[in-house]
Amino acid sequence: NAGVTQTPKFRILKIGQSMTLQCAQDMNHNYMYWYRQDPGMGLKLIYYSVGAGITDKGEVPNGYNVSRSTTEDFPLRLELAAPSQTSVYFCASSYAEGAYNEQFFGPGTRLTVL
Amino acid sequence: LAKTTQPISMDSYEGQEVNITCSHNNIATNDYITWYQQFPSQGPRFIIQGYKTKVTNEVASLFIPADRKSSTLSLPRVSLSDTAVYYCLVGGLTGANNLFFGTGTRLTVIP
Repeated sequence: NAGVTQTPKFRILKIGQSMTLQCAQDMNHNYMYWYRQDPGMGLKLIYYSVGAGITDKGEVPNGYNVSRSTTEDFPLRLELAAPSQTSVYFCASSYAEGAYNEQFFGPGTRLTVL
Repeated sequence: LAKTTQPISMDSYEGQEVNITCSHNNIATNDYITWYQQFPSQGPRFIIQGYKTKVTNEVASLFIPADRKSSTLSLPRVSLSDTAVYYCLVGGLTGANNLFFGTGTRLTVIP
């Protein structure tokens, strides 16, 4: 199993550009998550999904959109990139909800908006 | 959601035992205590979880006192490769949106 994969690993955007961060998992997990991590800080939840076709906002959803058309994929869309979105983005998945259930993380995408 | 408090950073020499304590005064009856480890430029990974008393695996031990208001992650004989950020999370079987990864404890192992 590849686990959770993310592409790209690095990206530089200009202000106002848009892009999609890709995330895929091959563990047949229903739950998927997008986090951002600013330098020296913890992770903040952007969006999450409890299954195909179902998504919901996390703590910091503004400026982002998600979709979940399949169990495997959970792309994160940035529209009109802003410098405040410079961060490292992590995708994760879990079999079930709650802190009891282990979350599996991808390697991250480092995004810089200039 | 039970908030947690951990030291921001710790330094240790190679070969020493390291204990990282997490406070969670508002832990609920159904909550478990879970620790994640994050190496530089990587996503966090689960290392250990417990409900009460002591849990041990190949990576670490987790000590939880009877009142469960705190927990201690113990790393035996650390090496340089244990340099990472360690996060303490508290929660149960519900809530897809309430995992709280605080700033964690940044452990630096010194040669």
